[in-house]
Amino acid sequence: GDSVTQMEGPVTLSEEAFLTINCTYTATGYPSLFWYVQYPGEGLQLLLKATKADDKGSNKGFEATYRKETTSFHLEKGSVQVSDSAVYFCALMRVEGGSQGNLIFGKGTKLSVKP
Amino acid sequence: EPEVTQTPSHQVTQMGQEVILRCVPISNHLYFYWYRQILGQKVEFLVSFYNNEISEKSEIFDDQFSVERPDGSNFTLKIRSTKLEDSAMYFCASTTGLAGWLFFGEGSRLTVL
Repeated sequence: GDSVTQMEGPVTLSEEAFLTINCTYTATGYPSLFWYVQYPGEGLQLLLKATKADDKGSNKGFEATYRKETTSFHLEKGSVQVSDSAVYFCALMRVEGGSQGNLIFGKGTKLSVKP
Repeated sequence: EPEVTQTPSHQVTQMGQEVILRCVPISNHLYFYWYRQILGQKVEFLVSFYNNEISEKSEIFDDQFSVERPDGSNFTLKIRSTKLEDSAMYFCASTTGLAGWLFFGEGSRLTVL
């Protein structure tokens, strides 16, 4: 079945460091890919998305490119801030083949950014 | 900005009791979902709901669970007889269409003792 694998955390970085959180997926067809973020004490918020191969999603300085050849959707940010400390979830959505658009999540990667 | 709201934010209950978690999806959304996240684990799909009926459900969503949209604005998840392993954060989500991204509520934390 469809699945999402993302790098184990926690990830601890200093402010202004470069961030990469790896995400790979297994799916039939052409899923849409998402990154959701969960700040402490809050719900899940969409960070960015990409719906087809080679699409780049971007938001708040974060970027991820849909790579079909490597089935990956790695999250990157050039310079992290303390306020980026959160748990990041990679997810896919398959909308064909009878699926009703439900998301399949990775386990989440906790990011802590130190000043 | 429109948002999905959930109540209660935290509920503590005894094993075997019934629990109802409530959600108000965004008003023009058509698809509604419940997900759960057991502490330290993945966010897992429970059920999707469209046109006043369940459109898809996971293996987790057994006969102890039910969903309802009683009045056109609320979307509820009922657990008939709670078990210890039902302790989790339950997230409601909604979207306009199948290809849209999901908007999540802040979650309802259920603790079963």
